[in-house]
Amino acid sequence: GAVVSQHPSRVICKSGTSVKIECRSLDFQATTMFWYRQFPKQSLMLMATSNEGSKATYEQGVEKDKFLINHASLTLSTLTVTSAHPEDSSFYICSAGQTGGRGHQPQHFGDGTRLSIL
Amino acid sequence: DQQVKQNSPSLSVQEGRISILNCDYTNSMFDYFLWYKKYPAEGPTFLISISSIKDKNEDGRFTVFLNKSAKHLSLHIVPSQPGDSAVYFCAARGLYNQGGKLIFGQGTELSVKP
Repeated sequence: GAVVSQHPSRVICKSGTSVKIECRSLDFQATTMFWYRQFPKQSLMLMATSNEGSKATYEQGVEKDKFLINHASLTLSTLTVTSAHPEDSSFYICSAGQTGGRGHQPQHFGDGTRLSIL
Repeated sequence: DQQVKQNSPSLSVQEGRISILNCDYTNSMFDYFLWYKKYPAEGPTFLISISSIKDKNEDGRFTVFLNKSAKHLSLHIVPSQPGDSAVYFCAARGLYNQGGKLIFGQGTELSVKP
């Protein structure tokens, strides 16, 4: 089945550090990737939709300058948490759809990144 | 505004019996529904989906039912196995959605006891 790889799986760093998370679709091309955030015991909250070759579309309330998204190729999207602070600590998950999310194809998810800011 | 709701945060079932997980939605423009299974510290794994033009889809032990008039879908797992213990999320996608984004419910934690 479709495989999405996310790296790193865990990051622990000091406040003020910028952290980059990579999301790769390994066996299919993804024109659209999605970035989610999950707090403990809560649902997945969509942060932004990453479009290959164009700017990301952010959900309401998500700071564009805080969460930088780049989708440079059909198989790679990156999320950079800039100047991270303890409140940014969370579980971040990416997903990709095989047909850019359209049509009846499921999204496939990476294994997530646990970000802990000290 | 929670467009996709899973009102039961947890469910406990005996091994071999049926597990029924429920999901309600409010947006009649949703045309595709999915169920994902999630273990702690891992990403969700796709289980099964259903298009709004159908009312049932079956895959092995998993069956999803859709009742559009009630805006309700359910996931049936039979027989339930201890390995099915996880958090289950239902998700929905709109007919004219913004690039395919999914709206998730809050999740139901299923515990299957041996």
